[in-house]
Amino acid sequence: GENVEQHPSTLSVQEGDSAVIKCTYSDSASNYFPWYKQELGKRPQLIIDIRSNVGEKKDQRIAVTLNKTAKHFSLHITETQPEDSAVYFCAASITGGGNKLTFGTGTQLKVEL
Amino acid sequence: SQTIHQWPATLVQPVGSPLSLECTVEGTSNPNLYWYRQAAGRGLQLLFYSVGIGQISSEVPQNLSASRPQDRQFILSSKKLLLSDSGFYLCAWSPQGGGYTFGSGTRLTVV
Repeated sequence: GENVEQHPSTLSVQEGDSAVIKCTYSDSASNYFPWYKQELGKRPQLIIDIRSNVGEKKDQRIAVTLNKTAKHFSLHITETQPEDSAVYFCAASITGGGNKLTFGTGTQLKVEL
Repeated sequence: SQTIHQWPATLVQPVGSPLSLECTVEGTSNPNLYWYRQAAGRGLQLLFYSVGIGQISSEVPQNLSASRPQDRQFILSSKKLLLSDSGFYLCAWSPQGGGYTFGSGTRLTVV
């Protein structure tokens, strides 16, 4: 089955700096890659996603890039703010057949003032 | 718009007691439904998923079971809870080929 590795496990940045979280996946058939943000004690919430026919997608301060050849994708957050502090999860799936998401192990992002 | 309801929000149960967690989705038909478990400070582990009424796929062998008696209802059960069943249980739904929307979760503590 699919295996998703995520790095780093913790990331501390200064407010205003950029943060980058990287994930690799094992199944070349995976074609859908969402990112979730989970605040302490809350549910994960979808913040951005990308499909395999696209190399990059941007939404305000958040962007995701995908390299299908290398089987890795990354989340980029620019101009970080304290409210960006949370755990971020990447995931991968093959659409159809239950659309099962395999999640990475999470990155604890801390934005310091 | 679609909404997902999950209850209860918190639960403290003794070892060996039964469990029933319920999840319902509104505003969509034939959703894919999922149960995930998240141990403290850990990632998300897929327990069960369902692509239709009565269709349940199990990802991890354990003392839990799931049922989908109606199109938009998904139930997680156990006959006898273990200490290791403690965790944050999340129900989720997705359209075909789309991202998940998670319920608010149930924090289960087995004592």
